Amino acid sequence: EDQVTQSPEALRLQEGESSSLNCSYTVSGLRGLFWYRQDPGKGPEFLFTLYSAGEEKEKERLKATLTKKESFLHITAPKPEDSATYLCAVNSGGYQKVTFGIGTKLQVIP
Amino acid sequence: KAGVTQTPRYLIKTRGQQVTLSCSPISGHRSVSWYQQTPGQGLQFLFEYFSETQRNKGNFPGRFSGRQFSNSRSEMNVSTLELGDSALYLCASSSQREGSEQFFGPGTRLTVL
Repeated sequence: EDQVTQSPEALRLQEGESSSLNCSYTVSGLRGLFWYRQDPGKGPEFLFTLYSAGEEKEKERLKATLTKKESFLHITAPKPEDSATYLCAVNSGGYQKVTFGIGTKLQVIP
Repeated sequence: KAGVTQTPRYLIKTRGQQVTLSCSPISGHRSVSWYQQTPGQGLQFLFEYFSETQRNKGNFPGRFSGRQFSNSRSEMNVSTLELGDSALYLCASSSQREGSEQFFGPGTRLTVL
C-alpha cells in the first residue's frame, strides 16, 4: 500500500526565514509526485508535478525537488501570504489512484 | 478556461438522510476523482471515474457511490448519513494522460447533525 508522510506537521517562520518541508513516500512504482497548496476552507491548488529522481521545479519563492524516497519543498524568503497547508501526493499507477499526505501547516509571521 | 465547479457549497443534513453532490470538471477533462477531507484523516480517496466508468475505488463503505455522465459531469451520493460523514468533499479533474496532475474544485462542506 502506498504511503506518504509529511514533516513537520506544522511550521512557524518569520518573514524572510527560508526553510524546507519534507515528503517521504513508499510506492510500488512512482508515476508522479505532486505538491499542492491549500488555504482554509478551499480546495487544494496545484503547484508542481515531479516524475523522476533529480528533477527540480521552481515557482516564485518555491522550489520542489525529488529523490527516490522523498521530496522537498524549499521556501525561500517566505512572505505572510505563503501561509497555508502544503500537501504532497503520489500517483503510483492504477490510473488516477492518488495518495495524499496529511500536510504541513505553514505560518509565516510578519 | 473555467475551473472545476462543485454544487452545493454547503449542506446540512440529519442522520439517516441521503445527499447528492455534483461536480463539473474542467472542459476536456474526462477523469473525475472524489475525496473526503477531515481534520484528522486528511484527503481520503473515494473513487475515480473516466468515460462514465469507475476505474478506482477507495476503502469506503457501500453507502458512498458515484456516477459520471456522458458530458463528464459527476455526482456522488451518500445514503444513510452518519455523524462521521461530516467533512469537506472535494472533486478533482484531470486529463486522460496517466500520472497527470489533478485540479480541485472548492469543495462541498457537508455537516451531519
